[in-house]
Amino acid sequence: GQSLEQPSEVTAVEGAIVQINCTYQTSGFYGLSWYQQHDGGAPTFLSYNALDGLEETGRFSSFLSRSDSYGYLLLQELQMKDSASYFCAVRDNNDMRFGAGTRLTVKP
Amino acid sequence: DGGITQSPKYLFRKEGQNVTLSCEQNLNHDAMYWYRQDPGQGLRLIYYSQIVNDFQKGDIAEGYSVSREKKESFPLTVTSAQKNPTAFYLCASSMGQGGTEAFFGQGTRLTVV
Repeated sequence: GQSLEQPSEVTAVEGAIVQINCTYQTSGFYGLSWYQQHDGGAPTFLSYNALDGLEETGRFSSFLSRSDSYGYLLLQELQMKDSASYFCAVRDNNDMRFGAGTRLTVKP
Repeated sequence: DGGITQSPKYLFRKEGQNVTLSCEQNLNHDAMYWYRQDPGQGLRLIYYSQIVNDFQKGDIAEGYSVSREKKESFPLTVTSAQKNPTAFYLCASSMGQGGTEAFFGQGTRLTVV
C-alpha cells in the first residue's frame, strides 16, 4: 500500500523559516508534489520534485531524496497569509495520493 | 479561461438518496480524480480516470460510483450505500502520466440531513 507521513501542526512567527517534512512509502513513484490549502478553499499547486535535490520557487523551496523516500517544503520569510494547510502528494504511474496535511500557523 | 468546475458548491441530501456531483474541465487533461476531505483531514482518493471510458477505484471507493463518457467530464455519484457521506468533495485533473501539477475545482460540500 501507500502511505505518506507529515507533521500535523507547525507554528512559526512572521519572517521566520519553517520546514515541513514528508516521508512516503509507495509501490511506484514518479514524483513528490506540495499543495497549499486555505480553510474552505481548494488545494493549489506549489512545487514538484521528480529528481533528487532542491527546487526553488520564490520564498518556497522543495527538496527530495528518492533513496530516503523523503522530502520537505521550506518556507522562508513567513507571512501571515502563509497560514494554511500544506499537503505532500505522491504521483505513481496512474494515481496521486496525499498526506494528511500539516497545519501551519504564522504568528505576528 | 481554462479551468475545472465543480457544481453545486453546497448540496443537501436526505438519507437513502443518491446524489451526483458534477466535475467539468476544459484544460484538455487526460487524468481526473475525486477526493474526499473530512474536517481537519487530508485528501482521500475515491476514484481516478486516466482516459475516457476507463476508471479505477481509489482507497475509499465503496458507496461511490463514477463515469467517464467524455474527456471533459467525470461525475461522482454518492449512493445510499455510502454510510457517512457528509464531507467536502474535491475533483482534480492533470495531464496524465506526464503531468506534474494537478488543478482542483472549488469543491462541493455535501451534507446529509
